[in-house]
Amino acid sequence: QVQLVQSGAEVKKPGSSVKVSCKASGGTFSSYAISWVRQAPGQGLEWMGGIIPIFGTANYAQKFQGRVTITADESTSTAYMELSSLRSEDTAVYYCARAPRITIFGVVTPGWFDPWGQGTLVTVSS
Amino acid sequence: VIWMTQSPSLLSASTGDRVTISCRMSQGISSYLAWYQQKPGKAPELLIYAASTLQSGVPSRFSGSGSGTDFTLTISCLQSEDFATYYCQQYYSFPRTFGQGTKVEIK
Repeated sequence: QVQLVQSGAEVKKPGSSVKVSCKASGGTFSSYAISWVRQAPGQGLEWMGGIIPIFGTANYAQKFQGRVTITADESTSTAYMELSSLRSEDTAVYYCARAPRITIFGVVTPGWFDPWGQGTLVTVSS
Repeated sequence: VIWMTQSPSLLSASTGDRVTISCRMSQGISSYLAWYQQKPGKAPELLIYAASTLQSGVPSRFSGSGSGTDFTLTISCLQSEDFATYYCQQYYSFPRTFGQGTKVEIK
């Protein structure tokens, strides 16, 4: 049974960067996609972007373009999400989630999210 | 961007009730929709994918229906462990988007 284990909580200053890791155990890593979703305090879920490790290319939400970088290291079954130019509004719990590869209109794309990591709280404060 | 309207945002119900949550898309997504349950302080958990396919291990009192633009999550007989927040999510196109969430609380 696949499990995603994320790195621990972080406290960052405005303007700095944070890099969160997500290590998969108990299953095949490269043949799935990994997405990152965040949740601000008391708010809903927001997709940030994702990557299919075997392809190596990532997709990002327009809102985070230029500030977020998602990568994957197949040798360690670990995905990473780096967010730069942090501001107070980036205070949130950040989740990684695995998605199966599905095909829509002949294009391979990530499907539903399962399982999810336990979440990493990132606090941005001066 | 596909916008999602989930309703209601808050649902007060009693154990044993049948409850229904709606999710409407701004454009058709065939059946590329998932439903998640989230409890306070926990990560979301997958309930249903492909609009109506029950994830392994999820109780059969949960069901999903719909295609195109209108989708529904139904809990046939609400149990105490079902009081939580529910989200719909489309995976038809980028960016992936979620509904605003429906909190199911004890009446």
